[in-house]
Amino acid sequence: EPEVTQTPSHQVTQMGQEVILRCVPISNHLYFYWYRQILGQKVEFLVSFYNNEISEKSEIFDDQFSVERPDGSNFTLKIRSTKLEDSAMYFCASSEGVNRINTEAFFGQGTRLTVV
Amino acid sequence: GNSVTQMEGPVTLSEEAFLTINCTYTATGYPSLFWYVQYPGEGLQLLLKATKADDKGSNKGFEATYRKETTSFHLEKGSVQVSDSAVYFCALRPGSSNTGKLIFGQGTTLQVKP
Repeated sequence: EPEVTQTPSHQVTQMGQEVILRCVPISNHLYFYWYRQILGQKVEFLVSFYNNEISEKSEIFDDQFSVERPDGSNFTLKIRSTKLEDSAMYFCASSEGVNRINTEAFFGQGTRLTVV
Repeated sequence: GNSVTQMEGPVTLSEEAFLTINCTYTATGYPSLFWYVQYPGEGLQLLLKATKADDKGSNKGFEATYRKETTSFHLEKGSVQVSDSAVYFCALRPGSSNTGKLIFGQGTTLQVKP
């Protein structure tokens, strides 16, 4: 069964360092997303991406965040200068479309980012 | 604005008990509604969905009915198992959205004891 894969599963980084979280969405999907879940809190939307550009982003997704689809299969989230409060589980998701029939989002297993 | 509110957890039940996890929403237009489940140490999995009023989503013995009059999408199961222990998230996709963004509730932890 097709699935969204994320690497690494766990990333530890020092405050101020740049990190890149990687995702391989399901191959025939056109819409890609990043969400985060701070420990014990709700899952929060960060950004959606379609046709090689951001289609929507939340207030959390400030200038230190960026996304890219560098090679037609990978979808990356970059955090330029990490802060302690960026520590969270980051989920990548993809969907075939956004209408009522094909809007189901499939999530990856997540990358746990720990900023020390 | 759009938001989702779930009942506070944790919910602790004995095996074979009846489960209800309440979910209410606020949304403009006609959202699609979802329940996702997160088993320990794993990612989010779609459990069921409903895309219009009065639709019933069902999967693995779980059911939820999209009630527009009460803006609710409560999750039910007639007989829970230990393996159902997980965190359950109610979510909505705004009807006006053309980006597929999901808005999640805070999650409800279910613990099922043998």
